[in-house]
Amino acid sequence: AQTVTQSQPEMSVQEAETVTLSCTYDTSESDYYLFWYKQPPSRQMILVIRQEAYKQQNATENRFSVNFQKAAKSFSLKISDSQLGDAAMYFCAYRSEASRVSGYALNFGKGTSLLVTP
Amino acid sequence: DTEVTQTPKHLVMGMTNKKSLKCEQHMGHRAMYWYKQKAKKPPELMFVYSYEKLSINESVPSRFSPECPNSSLLNLHLHALQPEDSALYLCASSPPYQQVSGANVLTFGAGSRLTVL
Repeated sequence: AQTVTQSQPEMSVQEAETVTLSCTYDTSESDYYLFWYKQPPSRQMILVIRQEAYKQQNATENRFSVNFQKAAKSFSLKISDSQLGDAAMYFCAYRSEASRVSGYALNFGKGTSLLVTP
Repeated sequence: DTEVTQTPKHLVMGMTNKKSLKCEQHMGHRAMYWYKQKAKKPPELMFVYSYEKLSINESVPSRFSPECPNSSLLNLHLHALQPEDSALYLCASSPPYQQVSGANVLTFGAGSRLTVL
């Protein structure tokens, strides 16, 4: 079974600064997908960014980027120019190749609570 | 419509009650999921309905009973729950399985907050 580890239960960043959230995973699969989801107090899980393991290029979405190190099984999230609205719980998630049986089921890490201070 | 709608948003029930949570999507998705999330914990997968076939996390007790009347609707029937079942229940859906493109993602609903007294 795949495990996802987020070693930072809480992180704090000042507005406009940059913060990096860590995620490591363990798998014996060669093809898989990695995601960062954001869950604000409103409870809605929102996709932040995704990375296909077969792609060497790191994914980027506006202020959000990842550092994907496949050999090290590391998938960190960098948030640039942090905003107050970025405050939330951030979950790293792993997904195997999709199947007709399991669909796109995700395996989540324990999460990192991000606090953004003015 | 790009949403997954969950009702009710909040539910309080006694241990002898029977209640249901409802999840609906109109995005043409062919897989739907129930996740359970305790406070300050990650979501844990309970059930997957993919192409109307059910996959179960074997650790989920039988007092939770999923039902998928059609590909747009997913119910979670609750019976004889325990206080430790109090949690946020998240529904999600995903597009039809495609062997070529695997980057499709889950779309989550806002959750149903369940309290068992």
